[in-house]
Amino acid sequence: GESVGLHLPTLSVQEGDNSIINCAYSNSASDYFIWYKQESGKGPQFIIDIRSNMDKRQGQRVTVLLNKTVKHLSLQIAATQPGDSAVYFCAEFPTPSTSYGKLTFGQGTILTVHP
Amino acid sequence: NAGVTQTPKFRVLKTGQSMTLLCAQDMNHEYMYWYRQDPGMGLRLIHYSVGEGTTAKGEVPDGYNVSRLKKQNFLLGLESAAPSQTSVYFCASSYSRTSGKPGANVLTFGAGSRLTVL
Repeated sequence: GESVGLHLPTLSVQEGDNSIINCAYSNSASDYFIWYKQESGKGPQFIIDIRSNMDKRQGQRVTVLLNKTVKHLSLQIAATQPGDSAVYFCAEFPTPSTSYGKLTFGQGTILTVHP
Repeated sequence: NAGVTQTPKFRVLKTGQSMTLLCAQDMNHEYMYWYRQDPGMGLRLIHYSVGEGTTAKGEVPDGYNVSRLKKQNFLLGLESAAPSQTSVYFCASSYSRTSGKPGANVLTFGAGSRLTVL
């Protein structure tokens, strides 16, 4: 089956640095991607999304980049703060819309921010 | 606005016992999902529902049953619990993908239910 995976399972950064979390996906038909943040003991929370007709999308301190040629997704967090420490998941939606139950999550990257 | 609420938050069962996890959402979402999360395995879809009265199997449906009698509720049942079902269970909901509503694709998750089967 199709899968989404992450290159780095853990990432440690200093407060104030920029963080980059990577994700590789295998389904070239996927047309929508989401990044989630999961803090310890909580459910995943939406961070940012991007459609396949875009290469880049920016939010507050976060940027998602999509490279469809190599099927790679990245999440950039600017000026990382201790509160950003969490597990980050990417998720992909395949087309068509009737395959909604096929949403696939990556295993996650643990981001640790040191003060 | 409570979002997605799961009950109970914690439960310990003995092998062979049955139980039901309840998920409730107050966002009028059409779609609801049950996932399980295990170390190193990420989130795996158990069952999902695209509307009241309908359910469908996900990636790992065996050993579980679900019901969606009301739009706002999605129940996950374990008829005969096994140690392999020890996990953290997450419920999620979303608008339908074709609804045209903003953020229709985004799943909103509950806080999770930690289940231990001895």
